[in-house]
Amino acid sequence: SAVISQKPSRDICQRGTSLTIQCQVDSQVTMMFWYRQQPGQSLTLIATANQGSEATYESGFVIDKFPISRPNLTFSTLTVSNMSPEDSSIYLCSANRGQWETQYFGPGTRLLVL
Amino acid sequence: QKEVEQNSGPLSVPEGAIASLNCTYSDRVSQSFFWYRQYSGKSPELIMSIYSNGDKEDGRFTAQLNKASQYVSLLIRDSQPSDSATYLCAVTLTGANSKLTFGKGITLSVRP
Repeated sequence: SAVISQKPSRDICQRGTSLTIQCQVDSQVTMMFWYRQQPGQSLTLIATANQGSEATYESGFVIDKFPISRPNLTFSTLTVSNMSPEDSSIYLCSANRGQWETQYFGPGTRLLVL
Repeated sequence: QKEVEQNSGPLSVPEGAIASLNCTYSDRVSQSFFWYRQYSGKSPELIMSIYSNGDKEDGRFTAQLNKASQYVSLLIRDSQPSDSATYLCAVTLTGANSKLTFGKGITLSVRP
């Protein structure tokens, strides 16, 4: 399995501000993914982050709101921009490892927007 | 629209019983199937993966896959209170750009 860390683990932010979440993997991986999990809900994929190219966003998510960086094969950031209370959620990063590209998840970042 | 459906919960079983969790998927070309366990306040933890038809056993957990019927299930034998969690079914297409599609999850409660 992969060891994935995220920072910060939680934050409380004011509306209109932005927060950048960092995700670090213990070894090089091709694919990294960012998910959102709203209270009581399942996981929704925001985007796939590839090293050396722009992230691929899912329907309903746009780069201006959720810019993503992937500067190398072990690190990625997700920024939640111009936050509103509706952005209050858990944000999770994940990475594929192994022959079958099994996904492993980081511990998540709990975000509360006031 | 690729969908993953899990039977509605919550599911409550007594300690020592078998818990049966079911999942159906709509995309016939789905290739990889996963069960994740998520404790409250924690991130999903992979507990089982299955890629071919049949059963796969790992300790008290057995995953069953039937591609013809497009369902995958998870059996938990000798359920323990520590198994109380939300179980998420996820499927993906094999390939470098594989993306997981998750079901809504089912919450399991094991009564002591």
